[in-house]
Amino acid sequence: GQQVMQIPQYQHVQEGEDFTTYCNSSTTLSNIQWYKQRPGGHPVFLIQLVKSGEVKKQKRLTFQFGEAKKNSSLHITATQTTDVGTYFCAGPPAYMRFGAGTRLTVKP
Amino acid sequence: DAGVIQSPRHEVTEMGQEVTLRCKPISGHNSLFWYRQTMMRGLELLIYFNNNVPIDDSGMPEDRFSAKMPNASFSTLKIQPSEPRDSAVYFCASSFPGGESDTEAFFGQGTRLTVV
Repeated sequence: GQQVMQIPQYQHVQEGEDFTTYCNSSTTLSNIQWYKQRPGGHPVFLIQLVKSGEVKKQKRLTFQFGEAKKNSSLHITATQTTDVGTYFCAGPPAYMRFGAGTRLTVKP
Repeated sequence: DAGVIQSPRHEVTEMGQEVTLRCKPISGHNSLFWYRQTMMRGLELLIYFNNNVPIDDSGMPEDRFSAKMPNASFSTLKIQPSEPRDSAVYFCASSFPGGESDTEAFFGQGTRLTVV
């Protein structure tokens, strides 16, 4: 099945700093989904991107889908301690294969 | 809807014993996924069912693992015999694919398996 690569694996930031995680696929994705998993919790859906070049925002979170539909990014502006967790990209959705995830820690 | 329900939440068993994990997907969802999560290997897809039929089981580690979905509201993941390296959190998820614009997957709370 298709695999997605995600970087970085870990990111430690000071509260208020920005954070970005990147997801890359060797093949074109029909769409891509992003999930967040809090420590000790289960993955929770954040958003789905479908269109080439699509940009979606959820408050401080900005999601982008590349023009070639092979890469995606999640950017968090001014991180807060509530942003702590692991962020996963997943695609193609029908097979739900997840990237390795980026674990974000935020220092108050 | 109560969401995806997994049982048990925690399981501690001795090496060599049979372990059965259970999952009840969200009513109306026709896709079901079993995942295994460890620190070393991340979130691995083990098997994917669509309309109760296994579509992709390439992620199942070996013959000791088997999964069934006898009906639309129930699935099991069985490990026999269990080994310490099977210790992990096992998640079940369900979704309702809608073609190109698939819907989100809903995850259960997971079963934390420890094999001693």
